[in-house]
Amino acid sequence: GAVVSQHPSRVICKSGTSVKIECRSLDFQATTMFWYRQFPKQSLMLMATSNEGSKATYEQGVEKDKFLINHASLTLSTLTVTSAHPEDSSFYICSATSPLNPYEQYFGPGTRLTVT
Amino acid sequence: KQEVTQIPAALSVPEGENLVLNCSFTDSAIYNLQWFRQDPGKGLTSLLLIQSSQREQTSGRLNASLDKSSGRSTLYIAASQPGDSATYLCAVRQGQAGTALIFGKGTTLSVSS
Repeated sequence: GAVVSQHPSRVICKSGTSVKIECRSLDFQATTMFWYRQFPKQSLMLMATSNEGSKATYEQGVEKDKFLINHASLTLSTLTVTSAHPEDSSFYICSATSPLNPYEQYFGPGTRLTVT
Repeated sequence: KQEVTQIPAALSVPEGENLVLNCSFTDSAIYNLQWFRQDPGKGLTSLLLIQSSQREQTSGRLNASLDKSSGRSTLYIAASQPGDSATYLCAVRQGQAGTALIFGKGTTLSVSS
C-alpha cells in the first residue's frame, strides 16, 4: 500500500514552454502533498506544500507564478513549470501523506526535467 | 533554521565490511527522523523511521540510532554488499504531522566486490 506515482518520469522541453508533472496517490487519499526539487549531487529541497482544495504554500525563494501547483483532488497534485529555462532542469519529486498515518511521507519515483 | 549534515559525503568499502553513516541536525526539536536510500536517477526508498521518543530501529542488516539531545543519528550497515551501493539520505521532520522533511545532502556509498 501507500504507492505514489509520477508522470512523466522524464521530459525534455524547449526553453520558454510549459510542462506539467502529475503526482498521484494510487491507493490512499492524500490530504497533503509536497513537491521537492533535487539538483545534481544536492539534497532534496522543499518547494511547496499542497493541501487539497487550498492554495499551495511556497518556500522562500520559490516563485509561485513560475511553479504552479494544483491539488484539485485527494489523489492528484500537479506541478506546472511555466516558461521553463535551462536552469529549471532538475529532478522533481513529490510526496504524499495519508490522514491515516500523517507522520510518514510516501515518495513518488521522481520526474527528470531537461530544458533545452 | 534546521540544518541537516551528513558525513562523509562519499564512502567506498570492500564487500563484507560493516560501516556507519552519520547524520547531524542543528535543532533537536524534531518529531522524527528518517533514513532513505536513493539509487541514481531514481526516487526514494524509505529504510527506517525513528520517532523522537525512540533510540533505535532495526531492519535486517540496517540499524539506525537516534540521540535527539545531541542532534545525531547513525545508520549502521552490517556485512555490506555491492547491492547496498546507493546514496543514503537522512531527513528530519519537525513539528506536527503533515509537515515536510528536511534533508541532508546524503552519503554516496560504493561497495566493491
